[in-house]
Amino acid sequence: GENVEQHPSTLSVQEGDSAVIKCTYSDSASNYFPWYKQELGKRPQLIIDIRSNVGEKKDQRIAVTLNKTAKHFSLHITETQPEDSAVYFCAARRRTALIFGKGTTLSVSS
Amino acid sequence: NAGVTQTPKFQVLKTGQSMTLQCAQDMNHNSMYWYRQDPGMGLRLIYYSASEGTTDKGEVPNGYNVSRLNKREFSLRLESAAPSQTSVYFCASRASNTIYFGEGSWLTVV
Repeated sequence: GENVEQHPSTLSVQEGDSAVIKCTYSDSASNYFPWYKQELGKRPQLIIDIRSNVGEKKDQRIAVTLNKTAKHFSLHITETQPEDSAVYFCAARRRTALIFGKGTTLSVSS
Repeated sequence: NAGVTQTPKFQVLKTGQSMTLQCAQDMNHNSMYWYRQDPGMGLRLIYYSASEGTTDKGEVPNGYNVSRLNKREFSLRLESAAPSQTSVYFCASRASNTIYFGEGSWLTVV
């Protein structure tokens, strides 16, 4: 089955800096890669996603890149703000099952 | 439009007791999921259902059973609860690519 590795597990940045979170997946048939943000005590919420036929996608301060050959994808957050502090999860999907990485706790200090 | 609704929100069980977590969605989605979330372990897929009448094991199915009662409802049953099943449980449903999570059920087994 699919296995998703996520790094780093914790990330601390200063407000205004960029943050990068990286994930690798094992199943070359996976074709959909979303990123979720989870605030303390809340449910995960989708923030951006990318399909396997696209190399990069941007939405304001966040972007995701995908390297199918290397089977890795990354989340980039620019101009970080304190409200970006949360746990971020990457995931990979083949057909129905969506498998998540273990999460990255991002702390943005002002 | 409630989205994905889970009950109960909080539950304390004694070891060996049984219980069922209920989940319903009102978005007419075909696919539904049960995940558990533990500190440092991310979201792990327990079971999923691609459509009404079908269920499949995920990453950590042992100790659980599921029922896809109809298109709206997908329940998770613990037949004999163990302390290792203390966790936060999330139900989710999917439309096209996006997965929508319920608010979570906090289960403690003592």
